[in-house]
Amino acid sequence: GAGVSQSPSNKVTEKGKDVELRCDPISGHTALYWYRQRLGQGLEFLIYFQGNSAPDKSGLPSDRFSAERTGESVSTLTIQRTQQEDSAVYLCASSPRTSGETQYFGPGTRLLVL
Amino acid sequence: GENVEQHPSTLSVQEGDSAVIKCTYSDSASNYFPWYKQELGKRPQLIIDIRSNVGEKKDQRIAVTLNKTAKHFSLHITETQPEDSAVYFCAAVIIYGQNFVFGPGTRLSVLP
Repeated sequence: GAGVSQSPSNKVTEKGKDVELRCDPISGHTALYWYRQRLGQGLEFLIYFQGNSAPDKSGLPSDRFSAERTGESVSTLTIQRTQQEDSAVYLCASSPRTSGETQYFGPGTRLLVL
Repeated sequence: GENVEQHPSTLSVQEGDSAVIKCTYSDSASNYFPWYKQELGKRPQLIIDIRSNVGEKKDQRIAVTLNKTAKHFSLHITETQPEDSAVYFCAAVIIYGQNFVFGPGTRLSVLP
């Protein structure tokens, strides 16, 4: 079946603009994660959605970052007033049920803030 | 919260040699330990995982060992090949907990 998809694949924006990144998880996966990966760096956890539970937002680096998820489907990550340090690849992953399951990663959105 | 350390940060081996990457974790409640491989410009993909009720798991040239007492686990790759060159991430997870905690990654280079 289809894997995790993300859009856009690349995004170039000017400092101060808002951006919205989209993630379509694998159908039926209740858990969804967002990560940030700076060039040559590791995976930085941002936010975790599990079914209808309140999301774990503990990884969001500032109040400029927010994410939404409608039920168990699409999620959007919004970055307001982008800064150059926001430049990174934003990866989305989903898993069938809980954090004890394999995560399937999307291809990522490469964000460049000029 | 959980803290995962990973060593070494970079590793170069000759083709055919073995490679070992070690991770330590801090939360004794962690009970699931996956390893992900990320090739340059690609997404991370699971290569092997182990749960806390098992001490070792093997899949062809890849094996993972877990020492719960010492809170460390290791990835072993034997007979390395150039296509094994990638960044490897370990993670420690509490099943039914909140989030994965990844290690910082190890960049493995297999030299022909």
